[in-house]
Amino acid sequence: KAGVTQTPRYLIKTRGQQVTLSCSPISGHRSVSWYQQTPGQGLQFLFEYFSETQRNKGNFPGRFSGRQFSNSRSEMNVSTLELGDSALYLCASSSTSRLWETQYFGPGTRLLVL
Amino acid sequence: EDQVTQSPEALRLQEGESSSLNCSYTVSGLRGLFWYRQDPGKGPEFLFTLYSAGEEKEKERLKATLTKKESFLHITAPKPEDSATYLCAVQGQTGANNLFFGTGTRLTVIP
Repeated sequence: KAGVTQTPRYLIKTRGQQVTLSCSPISGHRSVSWYQQTPGQGLQFLFEYFSETQRNKGNFPGRFSGRQFSNSRSEMNVSTLELGDSALYLCASSSTSRLWETQYFGPGTRLLVL
Repeated sequence: EDQVTQSPEALRLQEGESSSLNCSYTVSGLRGLFWYRQDPGKGPEFLFTLYSAGEEKEKERLKATLTKKESFLHITAPKPEDSATYLCAVQGQTGANNLFFGTGTRLTVIP
């Protein structure tokens, strides 16, 4: 069974640009969560989508948005990039309501903002 | 605000040398405390969930315990393959569907 895949794996952008990251969950998983990981702040929850609806949201500004498609694939968008947005962005998928225990993470997309 | 602090930041052990990792937390009503393992270049992998003080869970050489203010991840006779970053996270009553993570402990086990 294929795991969670994220594309692209690496990305370099400049301040002010926008970026879209993609996540394909494990087949049959309907929940997709997004996280930001930085050395200083650690892992921080961005939002979670279930059946195309945002179900949970962390404490990030509106520049961070996402969506989920009918096939459960998800995209995350960051507009007006700032230097501080440089991070590893992780996606995780889950098939059950016990979200935090049964989520499987992808390898992440490493974003560098110059 | 919910907060998680992990210590030490990094730990080097000889193979077979047992030790413990600490996770101190401040949360308004703990709903769950979670331990994950993260290998370089990979996403975190779920290890344990603890729900109430006094609870313990074990898996191979790992044992997680919980008190009202902190959790410990005990590693008994570690092997080099246990080298990884161990993350702790809490879920509180407020922001019920949000997880707050610590910055992790980077464990290196030397053969």
